[in-house]
Amino acid sequence: KQEVTQIPAALSVPEGENLVLNCSFTDSAIYNLQWFRQDPGKGLTSLLLIQSSQREQTSGRLNASLDKSSGRSTLYIAASQPGDSATYLCAVRDNYGQNFVFGPGTRLSVLP
Amino acid sequence: GAVVSQHPSWVICKSGTSVKIECRSLDFQATTMFWYRQFPKQSLMLMATSNEGSKATYEQGVEKDKFLINHASLTLSTLTVTSAHPEDSSFYICSATNPETPAGEQFFGPGTRLTVL
Repeated sequence: KQEVTQIPAALSVPEGENLVLNCSFTDSAIYNLQWFRQDPGKGLTSLLLIQSSQREQTSGRLNASLDKSSGRSTLYIAASQPGDSATYLCAVRDNYGQNFVFGPGTRLSVLP
Repeated sequence: GAVVSQHPSWVICKSGTSVKIECRSLDFQATTMFWYRQFPKQSLMLMATSNEGSKATYEQGVEKDKFLINHASLTLSTLTVTSAHPEDSSFYICSATNPETPAGEQFFGPGTRLTVL
């Protein structure tokens, strides 16, 4: 059974810092991995999707990498801004079904 | 784009009543939709996979007679919480995959907050 963990659980940084969020999964037979952000009381916004054959994806200040063999993905946020404050979730879709398994999330606070 | 909507955005009901939540894909056809539940400060837990024209597939521990799922069209799936109790209070989120976008990308609705008194 796939299990997804995220480290750290919470992170507080001053504005402008570069930061890295980590996601680990136990079963490397994944179809893809997707990073989301969730604002309090809101739904999920897709940030980046990495297919199993890819190593990384970039969108603006965000860069996500995938090392399938080691069961890890990182989300790199450059030049963080207060508007980046949210909970960041990674989710893994395995090869056996269509559903995603979510990590517990990292709660990010960027202080002005 | 790939927009998924949910209705209502929030609902308060009395214990013992039933509540229906709708999930719609607005600009694409979704043969498969997913229903998740999220308790405060916890991550999303998949409840069931909804397939258009067939029975939903429920995750272990989810009561199919309590959480009725209907996926009658390619753009609409409904979740009915029957005989709701306070412990069913949660944030319910649906998602759908768009077959026209990169394989497997999920798009989420804004969620429905259910409070059972």
